[in-house]
Amino acid sequence: QVQLVESGGGVVQPGKSLRLSCAASGFAFRSFAMHWVRQAPGRGLEWVAVISNDAINKFYSGSVTGRFPISRDNSNNTVYLQMNSLRPEDTAIYYCVKDWGRGDGYNLGDSWGQGTLVTVSS
Amino acid sequence: DIQMTQSPSSLSASVGDRVTITCQASQDIRKFINWYQQKPGKAPKLLIHDASILEAGVPARFSGSGSGTEFTFTITGLYPEDFATYYCQQYESLPPLTFGGGTKVEIK
Repeated sequence: QVQLVESGGGVVQPGKSLRLSCAASGFAFRSFAMHWVRQAPGRGLEWVAVISNDAINKFYSGSVTGRFPISRDNSNNTVYLQMNSLRPEDTAIYYCVKDWGRGDGYNLGDSWGQGTLVTVSS
Repeated sequence: DIQMTQSPSSLSASVGDRVTITCQASQDIRKFINWYQQKPGKAPKLLIHDASILEAGVPARFSGSGSGTEFTFTITGLYPEDFATYYCQQYESLPPLTFGGGTKVEIK
Protein backbone atom coordinates (compact mmCIF):
# COMPACT_ATOMS: atom_id res chain seq x y z
CA GLN A 1 0.00 0.00 0.00
CA VAL A 2 1.03 3.60 -0.51
CA GLN A 3 3.07 5.08 2.31
CA LEU A 4 4.28 8.66 2.61
CA VAL A 5 6.43 9.50 5.61
CA GLU A 6 7.43 13.10 6.22
CA SER A 7 10.37 14.12 8.38
CA GLY A 8 12.48 17.16 9.12
CA GLY A 9 10.02 19.29 11.03
CA GLY A 10 10.89 21.08 14.24
CA VAL A 11 11.28 24.44 15.90
CA VAL A 12 13.28 27.04 14.01
CA GLN A 13 13.91 30.76 14.41
CA PRO A 14 12.54 33.30 11.95
CA GLY A 15 14.84 33.81 8.98
CA LYS A 16 16.38 30.36 9.31
CA SER A 17 16.05 27.33 7.03
CA LEU A 18 14.68 23.81 7.31
CA ARG A 19 14.44 20.95 4.83
CA LEU A 20 11.49 18.60 4.86
CA SER A 21 11.68 15.13 3.36
CA CYS A 22 8.96 12.74 2.30
CA ALA A 23 9.88 9.10 1.80
CA ALA A 24 7.47 7.31 -0.52
CA SER A 25 6.80 3.62 -0.97
CA GLY A 26 4.18 1.27 -2.34
CA PHE A 27 3.79 2.86 -5.76
CA ALA A 28 5.82 3.81 -8.85
CA PHE A 29 7.18 7.04 -7.40
CA ARG A 30 8.90 8.21 -10.60
CA SER A 31 5.55 8.14 -12.42
CA PHE A 32 3.72 10.59 -10.16
CA ALA A 33 3.87 14.29 -9.42
CA MET A 34 4.11 15.11 -5.74
CA HIS A 35 2.65 17.96 -3.68
CA TRP A 36 3.15 19.67 -0.35
CA VAL A 37 0.11 21.00 1.52
CA ARG A 38 0.22 22.78 4.86
CA GLN A 39 -2.19 23.51 7.69
CA ALA A 40 -1.54 26.16 10.33
CA PRO A 41 -2.69 25.20 13.84
CA GLY A 42 -6.47 25.35 14.03
CA ARG A 43 -6.72 26.66 10.47
CA GLY A 44 -7.63 25.39 7.03
CA LEU A 45 -5.61 23.69 4.30
CA GLU A 46 -3.20 25.54 2.02
CA TRP A 47 -1.55 24.04 -1.05
CA VAL A 48 2.17 24.86 -1.13
CA ALA A 49 3.89 23.35 -4.16
CA VAL A 50 3.94 20.58 -6.75
CA ILE A 51 6.75 18.92 -8.69
CA SER A 52 6.20 16.87 -11.83
CA ASN A 53 7.28 13.24 -11.97
CA ASP A 54 10.41 14.14 -13.93
CA ALA A 55 11.16 17.27 -11.85
CA ILE A 56 10.95 19.49 -14.92
CA ASN A 57 7.85 21.38 -13.87
CA LYS A 58 7.47 23.02 -10.46
CA PHE A 59 4.70 25.31 -9.27
CA TYR A 60 4.31 27.23 -6.04
CA SER A 61 1.77 29.18 -4.06
CA GLY A 62 2.36 32.90 -3.93
CA SER A 63 3.15 32.77 -0.23
CA VAL A 64 6.23 30.57 -0.71
CA THR A 65 7.46 31.41 -4.21
CA GLY A 66 11.17 32.13 -4.10
CA ARG A 67 11.58 30.79 -0.56
CA PHE A 68 10.56 27.08 -0.64
CA PRO A 69 12.09 25.23 -3.60
CA ILE A 70 10.67 21.75 -4.14
CA SER A 71 12.82 18.90 -5.43
CA ARG A 72 12.82 15.14 -5.72
CA ASP A 73 15.17 12.18 -5.96
CA ASN A 74 13.56 9.45 -8.01
CA SER A 75 16.37 7.02 -7.24
CA ASN A 76 15.52 7.27 -3.54
CA ASN A 77 11.74 7.79 -3.82
CA THR A 78 11.94 11.01 -1.87
CA VAL A 79 10.51 14.49 -2.33
CA TYR A 80 11.91 17.51 -0.52
CA LEU A 81 10.80 20.96 0.50
CA GLN A 82 13.65 23.34 1.26
CA MET A 83 12.21 26.05 3.48
CA ASN A 84 14.27 29.25 3.52
CA SER A 85 13.74 32.65 5.14
CA LEU A 86 11.13 31.15 7.42
CA ARG A 87 8.46 33.38 8.95
CA PRO A 88 6.16 32.84 11.93
CA GLU A 89 3.24 32.53 9.50
CA ASP A 90 4.91 29.44 8.00
CA THR A 91 4.15 27.58 11.24
CA ALA A 92 2.05 24.61 10.19
CA ILE A 93 1.78 20.88 9.73
CA TYR A 94 3.25 20.07 6.32
CA TYR A 95 1.74 17.16 4.43
CA CYS A 96 3.25 15.32 1.50
CA VAL A 97 0.57 14.27 -1.01
CA LYS A 98 0.71 11.98 -4.02
CA ASP A 99 -0.79 13.42 -7.19
CA TRP A 100 -3.88 11.69 -8.51
CA GLY A 101 -1.92 10.67 -11.58
CA ARG A 102 -4.73 11.00 -14.10
CA GLY A 103 -2.35 12.63 -16.55
CA ASP A 104 -4.72 15.46 -17.42
CA GLY A 105 -3.48 18.08 -15.01
CA TYR A 106 -2.32 18.20 -11.43
CA ASN A 107 -4.61 17.34 -8.56
CA LEU A 108 -4.24 16.04 -5.03
CA GLY A 109 -4.80 12.34 -4.78
CA ASP A 110 -6.03 10.09 -2.03
CA SER A 111 -2.65 9.40 -0.42
CA TRP A 112 -1.40 11.81 2.23
CA GLY A 113 1.40 11.48 4.73
CA GLN A 114 0.82 11.91 8.44
CA GLY A 115 2.40 15.37 8.36
CA THR A 116 5.37 17.00 10.07
CA LEU A 117 5.05 20.06 12.28
CA VAL A 118 7.15 23.13 11.59
CA THR A 119 7.17 25.84 14.24
CA VAL A 120 8.80 29.17 13.45
CA SER A 121 9.42 31.07 16.64
CA SER A 122 12.14 33.02 18.36
CA ASP B 1 -6.18 32.75 -8.11
CA ILE B 2 -9.51 30.97 -7.89
CA GLN B 3 -11.23 31.64 -4.57
CA MET B 4 -13.39 28.93 -3.02
CA THR B 5 -16.08 30.23 -0.67
CA GLN B 6 -17.42 27.46 1.52
CA SER B 7 -20.47 27.72 3.75
CA PRO B 8 -21.41 27.36 6.46
CA SER B 9 -18.18 27.47 8.44
CA SER B 10 -19.78 25.28 11.07
CA LEU B 11 -23.05 23.53 11.74
CA SER B 12 -24.64 21.44 14.47
CA ALA B 13 -26.53 18.33 13.54
CA SER B 14 -27.83 15.10 15.01
CA VAL B 15 -27.20 11.51 14.05
CA GLY B 16 -29.49 10.69 11.15
CA ASP B 17 -29.74 14.26 9.89
CA ARG B 18 -29.16 15.36 6.32
CA VAL B 19 -26.32 17.86 6.04
CA THR B 20 -25.54 20.10 3.09
CA ILE B 21 -22.39 22.15 2.51
CA THR B 22 -21.87 24.50 -0.40
CA CYS B 23 -18.81 25.80 -2.19
CA GLN B 24 -18.81 28.70 -4.61
CA ALA B 25 -15.88 29.20 -6.96
CA SER B 26 -14.84 32.70 -8.03
CA GLN B 27 -14.77 31.54 -11.65
CA ASP B 28 -15.90 28.60 -13.73
CA ILE B 29 -14.11 25.45 -12.59
CA ARG B 30 -16.27 23.10 -14.66
CA LYS B 31 -16.51 19.90 -12.58
CA PHE B 32 -13.01 20.05 -11.08
CA ILE B 33 -13.66 19.98 -7.37
CA ASN B 34 -12.64 17.57 -4.60
CA TRP B 35 -14.31 17.13 -1.21
CA TYR B 36 -12.35 16.00 1.85
CA GLN B 37 -13.10 14.91 5.38
CA GLN B 38 -10.63 15.69 8.15
CA LYS B 39 -10.75 14.44 11.72
CA PRO B 40 -8.68 15.99 14.53
CA GLY B 41 -5.03 15.05 14.37
CA LYS B 42 -5.42 13.24 11.06
CA ALA B 43 -4.61 13.99 7.44
CA PRO B 44 -7.55 14.85 5.18
CA LYS B 45 -9.31 11.98 3.46
CA LEU B 46 -10.44 12.41 -0.13
CA LEU B 47 -14.13 11.55 -0.46
CA ILE B 48 -15.21 12.87 -3.85
CA HIS B 49 -13.50 14.02 -7.05
CA ASP B 50 -14.89 15.50 -10.25
CA ALA B 51 -17.69 17.05 -8.18
CA SER B 52 -19.69 13.85 -7.79
CA ILE B 53 -17.54 10.73 -8.09
CA LEU B 54 -17.07 8.86 -4.84
CA GLU B 55 -13.64 7.49 -4.04
CA ALA B 56 -13.45 3.75 -3.58
CA GLY B 57 -14.77 2.65 -0.22
CA VAL B 58 -16.58 5.90 0.56
CA PRO B 59 -20.12 5.21 1.81
CA ALA B 60 -22.99 6.12 -0.47
CA ARG B 61 -24.48 8.49 2.12
CA PHE B 62 -21.89 10.99 0.89
CA SER B 63 -22.67 12.74 -2.38
CA GLY B 64 -21.65 15.76 -4.40
CA SER B 65 -23.16 17.77 -7.20
CA GLY B 66 -22.73 20.92 -9.20
CA SER B 67 -20.71 22.40 -12.01
CA GLY B 68 -19.35 25.76 -13.05
CA THR B 69 -19.22 27.85 -9.90
CA GLU B 70 -21.79 26.30 -7.53
CA PHE B 71 -21.23 22.98 -5.77
CA THR B 72 -22.96 21.02 -3.06
CA PHE B 73 -21.77 18.27 -0.74
CA THR B 74 -24.40 16.25 1.13
CA ILE B 75 -24.38 13.65 3.87
CA THR B 76 -27.70 11.83 3.85
CA GLY B 77 -28.15 10.36 7.29
CA LEU B 78 -25.29 11.40 9.58
CA TYR B 79 -23.37 8.66 11.34
CA PRO B 80 -21.44 9.33 14.55
CA GLU B 81 -18.15 8.93 12.66
CA ASP B 82 -19.12 11.70 10.23
CA PHE B 83 -18.57 14.47 12.76
CA ALA B 84 -15.50 16.13 11.30
CA THR B 85 -14.38 19.09 9.22
CA TYR B 86 -15.06 19.05 5.48
CA TYR B 87 -13.19 20.96 2.77
CA CYS B 88 -13.72 21.61 -0.90
CA GLN B 89 -10.76 22.13 -3.26
CA GLN B 90 -10.57 23.16 -6.89
CA TYR B 91 -8.17 21.75 -9.46
CA GLU B 92 -9.28 23.58 -12.57
CA SER B 93 -6.29 25.88 -12.32
CA LEU B 94 -2.90 25.97 -10.62
CA PRO B 95 -0.98 27.59 -9.25
CA PRO B 96 -2.43 27.54 -6.81
CA LEU B 97 -4.76 24.69 -6.02
CA THR B 98 -7.17 26.29 -3.58
CA PHE B 99 -9.34 25.09 -0.74
CA GLY B 100 -12.50 26.33 0.81
CA GLY B 101 -12.30 27.51 4.38
CA GLY B 102 -13.80 24.33 5.80
CA THR B 103 -17.05 23.34 7.49
CA LYS B 104 -16.97 21.85 10.97
CA VAL B 105 -19.85 19.44 11.52
CA GLU B 106 -20.54 19.18 15.22
CA ILE B 107 -22.92 17.13 17.31
CA LYS B 108 -26.08 18.95 18.33
